[in-house]
Amino acid sequence: EADIYQTPRYLVIGTGKKITLECSQTMGHDKMYWYQQDPGMELHLIHYSYGVNSTEKGDLSSESTVSRIRTEHFPLTLESARPSHTSQYLCASSDGRFSNQPQHFGDGTRLSIL
Amino acid sequence: QKEVEQDPGPLSVPEGAIVSLNCTYSNSAFQYFMWYRQYSRKGPELLMYTYSSGNKEDGRFTAQVDKSSKYISLFIRDSQPSDSATYLCAIGSGGTSYGKLTFGQGTILTVHP
Repeated sequence: EADIYQTPRYLVIGTGKKITLECSQTMGHDKMYWYQQDPGMELHLIHYSYGVNSTEKGDLSSESTVSRIRTEHFPLTLESARPSHTSQYLCASSDGRFSNQPQHFGDGTRLSIL
Repeated sequence: QKEVEQDPGPLSVPEGAIVSLNCTYSNSAFQYFMWYRQYSRKGPELLMYTYSSGNKEDGRFTAQVDKSSKYISLFIRDSQPSDSATYLCAIGSGGTSYGKLTFGQGTILTVHP
């Protein structure tokens, strides 16, 4: 069973605040991902990482940034939150040894910007 | 046109029914195929994973892949109320080193007692 944890689960915060969404996994996976998911819509990849000190932007443009200083930790930061950032953010990881391994997801952070 | 199209539903069936969920895709480079189940307020959970044409069975679930038609299906036998969730197909191309997946938009399934 996948062990990937996201905090907080829910966050309601005002415009202009700096936000960091946490994601940690205990499986030793090299590859990690951030997705954005809106109701009734498909998951859109916004960031991914091959490993420590490696980060890339995904298919969907996002004002967020990520860092990967440790294998198990892949936080996402919004410097100045806006209502347009309201969404669900899902973190995932996969085994870095192979390119075709399934991704394992956390339970997400539901973010609401007032 | 989206690379992966999923029958949007929603789907409502009685307990015990056989459920068929379907996706089509357009990119011949897609090589591996997954189905995820997502309960409300939770993350997607991997249900089935396959990379060859044909059927793969796991308990009440059968994943079917037809690469020639670019069509994948998930069948649920003897459906239960606990199967009520959103089902997502996800398809990957083995050529990308970061393991990109392209997701369908999901089908909401409700199984009523």
